[in-house]
Amino acid sequence: GDSVTQMEGPVTLSEEAFLTINCTYTATGYPSLFWYVQYPGEGLQLLLKATKADDKGSNKGFEATYRKETTSFHLEKGSVQVSDSAVYFCALRSNFGNEKLTFGTGTRLTIIP
Amino acid sequence: KAGVTQTPRYLIKTRGQQVTLSCSPISGHRSVSWYQQTPGQGLQFLFEYFSETQRNKGNFPGRFSGRQFSNSRSEMNVSTLELGDSALYLCASSGSTVAGANVLTFGAGSRLTVL
Repeated sequence: GDSVTQMEGPVTLSEEAFLTINCTYTATGYPSLFWYVQYPGEGLQLLLKATKADDKGSNKGFEATYRKETTSFHLEKGSVQVSDSAVYFCALRSNFGNEKLTFGTGTRLTIIP
Repeated sequence: KAGVTQTPRYLIKTRGQQVTLSCSPISGHRSVSWYQQTPGQGLQFLFEYFSETQRNKGNFPGRFSGRQFSNSRSEMNVSTLELGDSALYLCASSGSTVAGANVLTFGAGSRLTVL
């Protein structure tokens, strides 16, 4: 079945550091890929998405490229801020007739000033 | 426009009781999905409803059930609560009429504690 493997956390970085959170997936067909972010006490917010191979999703300085050859969708940001501290989830949707998302385990990111 | 609204936000129950959680989707959205979030199991898919019909179901016991009303509002019910049912229950809605073609917008969740 579908699965998402996400970089283990927690991750602690200094402000303005470069961020990479690794995400790889297993799925049949051509899934859509997502990164969601969860701030303390809140639900999930969509950060970015990509729906086909080589698509690059981007938002708020975050980027991720859909790499079918390596089945990966790594999240990157060039210069993180304290406000980026949150839990990040990689997810896929198989596009087989429903809206079900399969999530990774989440990566807790803490940015220190 | 208003987001996905979940009620109640917090609740405490005891083992053996049952609970009903409510979700009001974004206006115009017809698909509603439910997820359970726990520290041990992460985010797990419970079920999805579209136009009052269950379109997909996750691997949860029959104690977990749901329904969707004609106005797209959804409820989920958990009967005979167990300690392991303590979790954050997240609802998400989607506006697409074609499954898999849109993004999910999540509510803030209902945090259930079972004592």
